[in-house]
Amino acid sequence: QQQVKQSPQSLIVQKGGISIINCAYENTAFDYFPWYQQFPGKGPALLIAIRPDVSEKKEGRFTISFNKSAKQFSLHIMDSQPGDSATYFCAARGNAGNMLTFGGGTRLMVKP
Amino acid sequence: GAVVSQHPSRVICKSGTSVKIECRSLDFQATTMFWYRQFPKKSLMLMATSNEGSKATYEQGVEKDKFLINHASLTLSTLTVTSAHPEDSSFYICSATGHIGNTEAFFGQGTRLTVV
Repeated sequence: QQQVKQSPQSLIVQKGGISIINCAYENTAFDYFPWYQQFPGKGPALLIAIRPDVSEKKEGRFTISFNKSAKQFSLHIMDSQPGDSATYFCAARGNAGNMLTFGGGTRLMVKP
Repeated sequence: GAVVSQHPSRVICKSGTSVKIECRSLDFQATTMFWYRQFPKKSLMLMATSNEGSKATYEQGVEKDKFLINHASLTLSTLTVTSAHPEDSSFYICSATGHIGNTEAFFGQGTRLTVV
């Protein structure tokens, strides 16, 4: 059972555009929502994370929007650059442990 | 952020042999370590969770005798793929966290295992 659904599976954006990736979750016990960036042949790296007590968090060009009532959260990459081309995973974690549940991933390609 | 070092980054082994992958937290005490397997163009699949000094908890469908996990100290966990077969070829990734519920998960660089 996939508890975190991520869309789209792939995304092509022109340089300078906005990349938007969406995730939806089912488990209301989740209370930590990170996004990871993964380059080919490398492990995931934490990009930005949010907790449900805020609706938005911004770090540089990266913004998470969180909608608790809809159980959805999204990643926005402003002014997308070719170097942002990677696979992005959303994840969620409950407060009972440290186990992350991952979305299916989004392969982003930013065209120059 | 904290550093998790995974070694080796790539390994090629013959069928029937065993391979050990190490995961070290370099600058924090990892009370919990996780081992994942990732197939090409797919998400991370949790294999097992290990807490220091106790037996690992394996996810359904993961053979514990095939994938031996040891978490002997707060900075080191190992995954041993025993009697490896070509179908075990994959990308294996570890992650480590500190205290429950209030810390980030830091990931190793991953290990590309190829069984020939």
